Amino acid sequence: DARVTQTPRHKVTEMGQEVTMRCQPILGHNTVFWYRQTMMQGLELLAYFRNRAPLDDSGMPKDRFSAEMPDATLATLKIQPSEPRDSAVYFCASGLGTGGSGNTIYFGEGSWLTVV
Amino acid sequence: GDSVTQMEGPVTLSEEAFLTINCTYTATGYPSLFWYVQYPGEGLQLLLKATKADDKGSNKGFEATYRKETTSFHLEKGSVQVSDSAVYFCALEDSGGYQKVTFGIGTKLQVIP
Repeated sequence: DARVTQTPRHKVTEMGQEVTMRCQPILGHNTVFWYRQTMMQGLELLAYFRNRAPLDDSGMPKDRFSAEMPDATLATLKIQPSEPRDSAVYFCASGLGTGGSGNTIYFGEGSWLTVV
Repeated sequence: GDSVTQMEGPVTLSEEAFLTINCTYTATGYPSLFWYVQYPGEGLQLLLKATKADDKGSNKGFEATYRKETTSFHLEKGSVQVSDSAVYFCALEDSGGYQKVTFGIGTKLQVIP
């Protein structure tokens, strides 16, 4: 069963530490998204990539967050330094953008981050 | 920019009750519209979708019709079950060909026996 795989599933870290979250998109998918979910803000789009190139990262605080796709099978989201307000569930999702419309995106199970 | 507005929950219903979750959107062009569902501890998964005006998406007894004139995509189900308890997200994909997907805040549904 093809699925999006995220690691770690849970992470507790101290304020100021670096956090790296990893995502393996579904093989063959050319579009990868990073979302952050909190009770107050719901699902926020942080960044997304098409064919490994960043298309939009306007939702991401640039001073501490960075997102990359070193290769087609790996996407990373890094927070440095982390702050308590970064505590949230971070979802990676992937899809096959065909240039048409109505493309389904597939979510991983999320990385639950707690910064203390 | 594109945006999705959906009713805030939580919504609590008795089993077999009728469900409506309202969703309206703001977008340029002709977006595609979706409902995703999130069960506890899991990621979101597609429930149904519609890609053009007057299309009806349906799945597992849920339905939603793309209404361009009212910019709405309300989710309905005639008889809910306890297993439908989840968070429901309305979403749109922009029409610019970039597959950028914007989600609403989510509506939590609790169905009690």
